[in-house]
Amino acid sequence: GENVEQHPSTLSVQEGDSAVIKCTYSDSASNYFPWYKQELGKRPQLIIDIRSNVGEKKDQRIAVTLNKTAKHFSLHITETQPEDSAVYFCAAKTGEYGNKLVFGAGTILRVKS
Amino acid sequence: GAVVSQHPSWVICKSGTSVKIECRSLDFQATTMFWYRQFPKQSLMLMATSNEGSKATYEQGVEKDKFLINHASLTLSTLTVTSAHPEDSSFYICSVRVGKSSYNEQFFGPGTRLTVL
Repeated sequence: GENVEQHPSTLSVQEGDSAVIKCTYSDSASNYFPWYKQELGKRPQLIIDIRSNVGEKKDQRIAVTLNKTAKHFSLHITETQPEDSAVYFCAAKTGEYGNKLVFGAGTILRVKS
Repeated sequence: GAVVSQHPSWVICKSGTSVKIECRSLDFQATTMFWYRQFPKQSLMLMATSNEGSKATYEQGVEKDKFLINHASLTLSTLTVTSAHPEDSSFYICSVRVGKSSYNEQFFGPGTRLTVL
């Protein structure tokens, strides 16, 4: 089955700096890659996603890149702010009919002001 | 996007009792809902896929007789943790997929924190 690895497990950056989180996946049939932000005790919130037929997608300060050949995708946050501090999860959608979301282990992002 | 609610938001129960958690899609008819479990400081693990009008599909290692799922309507799925034990203490989150395409986003409920004493 699909296996998603995420690095780093924790990331501390200074306010205003950029943050990059990387994920790799194993199932070449995976075709949808969302990123979620989860604050303590709350539900995961989708922040950006990318389909397998696209190499890059950007939404204001957030961007995601996908390399299908290498089977890895990355989240880029520019001009980080304290409110960006949270746990970020990558995921890959796989399985029959693309039903299953397999999550990475998560990255704790701390933005220091 | 879809609005998903869960009830209760938290529950404390004694070991050996059963607990039912409800997941409702408030503004969308969901033929498929998903149940996840998240232990402290860990990732979300898919437990089962809940299909309206049919049996749920469980992930490997998840006991279907312990975690009973009923998806009786297009807006409600329930997860019952039977004979709960302290190791079942976790954050249980449901999600709804909007549309049938594998590209479609999943919307998560607020989660239910279960503590088994």
